[in-house]
Amino acid sequence: NAGVTQTPKFQVLKTGQSMTLQCAQDMNHNSMYWYRQDPGMGLRLIYYSASEGTTDKGEVPNGYNVSRLNKREFSLRLESAAPSQTSVYFCASSGDRGRPYDEQFFGPGTRLTVL
Amino acid sequence: GNSVTQMEGPVTLSEEAFLTINCTYTATGYPSLFWYVQYPGEGLQLLLKATKADDKGSNKGFEATYRKETTSFHLEKGSVQVSDSAVYFCALMGYSTLTFGKGTMLLVSP
Repeated sequence: NAGVTQTPKFQVLKTGQSMTLQCAQDMNHNSMYWYRQDPGMGLRLIYYSASEGTTDKGEVPNGYNVSRLNKREFSLRLESAAPSQTSVYFCASSGDRGRPYDEQFFGPGTRLTVL
Repeated sequence: GNSVTQMEGPVTLSEEAFLTINCTYTATGYPSLFWYVQYPGEGLQLLLKATKADDKGSNKGFEATYRKETTSFHLEKGSVQVSDSAVYFCALMGYSTLTFGKGTMLLVSP
């Protein structure tokens, strides 16, 4: 039982390049999330998927797209990377949408640098 | 909208000292409250939670009480260890998403 896995762990891009961050969970969770973590800013929600087939914008969605490929996988795409997207990206999953005490499980993160 | 405010760090303590990390929140309704911990180089993991007013969450010697009257959820531990050095995040659950505070770094020296 690996929990939440993310690939790659590290990535360096040049401005304007594109890439996709991959996330998978093996806990049969319904909901999945993408966050970015920046110094002094905490974690900010980029996009989430409450259930398979649905996606919604979070606090900072500009410059990103997501795909909920199936119940296990939720990918984050940067179409044209910018230096402002340099950050650590975390994927998370949780069991049921709307449960007020639901726990989110986090992956180990992807450290992205855009030059 | 929802928001969480935490005390700024770093908090620097000696081993066996008492720890308090303050957290206050603004939210509509009655959110659930959480403390997450992030060890160096890792993702976040849930430390404790409370789902209604006056609930006390506890885990690994850490405690926090959901105080609706003061909209607070302060984290406490009676005797910290070097292994507690990490970043601690207070968070609240709205309808279906978490809102995090900015995090407080704790450094414990032997």
